[in-house]
Amino acid sequence: DAKTTQPNSMESNEEEPVHLPCNHSTISGTDYIHWYRQLPSQGPEYVIHGLTSNVNNRMASLAIAEDRKSSTLILHRATLRDAAVYYCILRGDNDMRFGAGTRLTVKP
Amino acid sequence: SAVISQKPSRDICQRGTSLTIQCQVDSQVTMMFWYRQQPGQSLTLIATANQGSEATYESGFVIDKFPISRPNLTFSTLTVSNMSPEDSSIYLCSVDTGTNTEAFFGQGTRLTVV
Repeated sequence: DAKTTQPNSMESNEEEPVHLPCNHSTISGTDYIHWYRQLPSQGPEYVIHGLTSNVNNRMASLAIAEDRKSSTLILHRATLRDAAVYYCILRGDNDMRFGAGTRLTVKP
Repeated sequence: SAVISQKPSRDICQRGTSLTIQCQVDSQVTMMFWYRQQPGQSLTLIATANQGSEATYESGFVIDKFPISRPNLTFSTLTVSNMSPEDSSIYLCSVDTGTNTEAFFGQGTRLTVV
């Protein structure tokens, strides 16, 4: 019973921005929204997280809807190394469950 | 940050036997999570292990099959008991120190049951 819904796959051109959407309509007031990505044959790696306000770091930006029922991960300039499966997760007090994720393909 | 050492990295086991997977962290962490990942699939949460308390198992996973130990804030083990070929998968541990912190993942244990 994944709490997040993401598109199965997305494509992007290299050097262009990518917007990865995530719906989480059942989010509770204390759930943080986390994004991780997984490259082939590796464990997931942290990308970004937030609660209510938009967040920026060196890897990406996270835009959170005002009602918190959806969010968007923004990669400002996709590179070939950004090709991975991206997971949007609601981090509750005692759980961190993964949804199906979005497989991002970056075309040169 | 936290560096996780997960052992073994891979193993091939006979059905009916058990395998214990170790997850060692280089710093004290609050939460430890154990996952299973089938090839090409997402991660499925097996259980959450807090130090000093019993692990909390997700639906479909039971303690008799996947006993977990969490003796201190830097170490945990997951045992896959009485294995069958259906248990063949990648098992990963993850750690963090709370909902507002970054989680770190081990590189996983690739288990094949024959």
